[in-house]
Amino acid sequence: GAVVSQHPSWVICKSGTSVKIECRSLDFQATTMFWYRQFPKQSLMLMATSNEGSKATYEQGVEKDKFLINHASLTLSTLTVTSAHPEDSSFYICSARDLSGGFNTGELFFGEGSRLTVL
Amino acid sequence: RKEVEQDPGPFNVPEGATVAFNCTYSNSASQSFFWYRQDCRKEPKLLMSVYSSGNEDGRFTAQLNRASQYISLLIRDSKLSDSATYLCVVNRAGGTSYGKLTFGQGTILTVHP
Repeated sequence: GAVVSQHPSWVICKSGTSVKIECRSLDFQATTMFWYRQFPKQSLMLMATSNEGSKATYEQGVEKDKFLINHASLTLSTLTVTSAHPEDSSFYICSARDLSGGFNTGELFFGEGSRLTVL
Repeated sequence: RKEVEQDPGPFNVPEGATVAFNCTYSNSASQSFFWYRQDCRKEPKLLMSVYSSGNEDGRFTAQLNRASQYISLLIRDSKLSDSATYLCVVNRAGGTSYGKLTFGQGTILTVHP
């Protein structure tokens, strides 16, 4: 079946550095990918929608200059956490739709998640 | 009010028990509904979609009541492997919003021997 892969699975960085997380759809093309964030013992929250070939759309309260999203190809979206701080430590998960079955019926697949710890 | 509300539990049940989870959602325009399962420190995985007619998949039964904006999940004959967090998930209205999922905070289930 369709698979979405994220890299890296774990990352530890110093405060002030930038971290890039990749999300790849391995056997299908994804014009749209979604980035979620999950803090400990909380639910997943949608951060932004990544659109291939155009700007990402961000949810209310998510700083677009802080969380840079690039969707350079139909199989790759990247999330860069710029000038990371300890409060950015979280579990970041991407998801992508397999549209082969139609626009509104495509199954969503989640990546394995990337756990960011900012010291 | 949260968009999707669940009883966080935890639910601690013995093997073989039947357990039910409830969920309510606030956006009446929501079009698609799901139950996901999330194991500790893992990504969520789709358990089943939820339809107005109700649907069953083995030991799992999901129900949707659009009038009450209420979703339920019933697990029969619980297994140790059912221990996880169960997420009630609602998809925003269709079209370009499809795929923008709103997650409940999850209900923790622990099945013990």
